[in-house]
Amino acid sequence: DAKTTQPPSMDCAEGRAANLPCNHSTISGNEYVYWYRQIHSQGPQYIIHGLKNNETNEMASLIITEDRKSSTLILPHATLRDTAVYYCIVRVARNSGNTPLVFGKGTRLSVIA
Amino acid sequence: DGGITQSPKYLFRKEGQNVTLSCEQNLNHDAMYWYRQDPGQGLRLIYYSQIVNDFQKGDIAEGYSVSREKKESFPLTVTSAQKNPTAFYLCASSGREGQGKIHEQYFGPGTRLTVT
Repeated sequence: DAKTTQPPSMDCAEGRAANLPCNHSTISGNEYVYWYRQIHSQGPQYIIHGLKNNETNEMASLIITEDRKSSTLILPHATLRDTAVYYCIVRVARNSGNTPLVFGKGTRLSVIA
Repeated sequence: DGGITQSPKYLFRKEGQNVTLSCEQNLNHDAMYWYRQDPGQGLRLIYYSQIVNDFQKGDIAEGYSVSREKKESFPLTVTSAQKNPTAFYLCASSGREGQGKIHEQYFGPGTRLTVT
């Protein structure tokens, strides 16, 4: 699977949008971009995924550049509960079964009151 | 409620002892995974299983063993051969088409193992 590059840490003021960048310049055409987050001492939680188009769900928005070499996760109104480590992962998703996720070190987001 | 359970939450062992970590899921998922996490680090894959009675080594399988006799269960044994067993261990599962959302991997709450 392709590797990703994320900044090690970011701060965001409570109520503001948090924009978390991810570079995945070697992504293949059949690889999806996934975002997970891990709140301290808990298991990671799925946030969102996308292939080419921008995606939005109740938690976040995912913006993927046209060349697919980078993406941005947007938390529109960050709260203190969004403080966590955010992981950007690329992976092929096969219908016949799933391959494991490969985690990097992620970005530690601190939401500040 | 559907989900993944890991027990116990905290586990303490003496060096030289084997220890087995439990992971159970009732999501009807075919695939299950074990990850290890050290402080300040991301998750590293130990073993995974895509179907009952079959499993593959991950990046750091040395010193660990698994079994997959039932779909619901994927226990991990940390053997005395594992040189640095103290870590946070996370189990996960995911499904294929017809078993929920194939793009999501669901994680348990983790077991924190301390070996002294």
